[in-house]
Amino acid sequence: GAVVSQHPSWVICKSGTSVKIECRSLDFQATTMFWYRQFPKQSLMLMATSNEGSKATYEQGVEKDKFLINHASLTLSTLTVTSAHPEDSSFYICSAREERGVSQPQHFGDGTRLSIL
Amino acid sequence: QQQVKQSPQSLIVQKGGISIINCAYENTAFDYFPWYQQFPGKGPALLIAIRPDVSEKKEGRFTISFNKSAKQFSLHIMDSQPGDSATYFCAASMRGSYIPTFGRGTSLIVHP
Repeated sequence: GAVVSQHPSWVICKSGTSVKIECRSLDFQATTMFWYRQFPKQSLMLMATSNEGSKATYEQGVEKDKFLINHASLTLSTLTVTSAHPEDSSFYICSAREERGVSQPQHFGDGTRLSIL
Repeated sequence: QQQVKQSPQSLIVQKGGISIINCAYENTAFDYFPWYQQFPGKGPALLIAIRPDVSEKKEGRFTISFNKSAKQFSLHIMDSQPGDSATYFCAASMRGSYIPTFGRGTSLIVHP
């Protein structure tokens, strides 16, 4: 089955630093990747949608300068949390899908637990 | 406005029992309804999915029942096991949109 690898799985850093999270589709080409944020005991909140080779589409209320997304290839998307602060601490999950225009399932990574001290 | 309403928020079932989670949607343009299973500290994993042209889909102990006229669908877990203890999310997406709308999740605990 389709596998999405997310790295790192857990990161702790000081306030003010930038953190990069990688999302890779291992056995398929992902034309579209998604980034979600999940708070404890809550549902997934879509942050942005990225298409290979184009700018990401951010959901309302998500700061594009705070959360930089790059989808440079069909197998890799990155999320960079810039100048992270404690309120950015959360569980970040990426997902990927293969085809456009048809409802297809998203395949999720195992998430990244981000803790900002 | 929540487009996919999921209930219950939490569910406790004895081993061997049937777990039932319900979802209701409002947008008739939805045409794909997946269920995801999420264990603590992990990402969601696709469990089973259905399209509105069928009323039921079964995969092992997991069954989706779909009622198009009522705009409702449910997940049934037969012979529930402690290993099924997880959070379950229903979702719905529209043709061409491919971005699912998630329910709020159901925390299932199966007691041994």
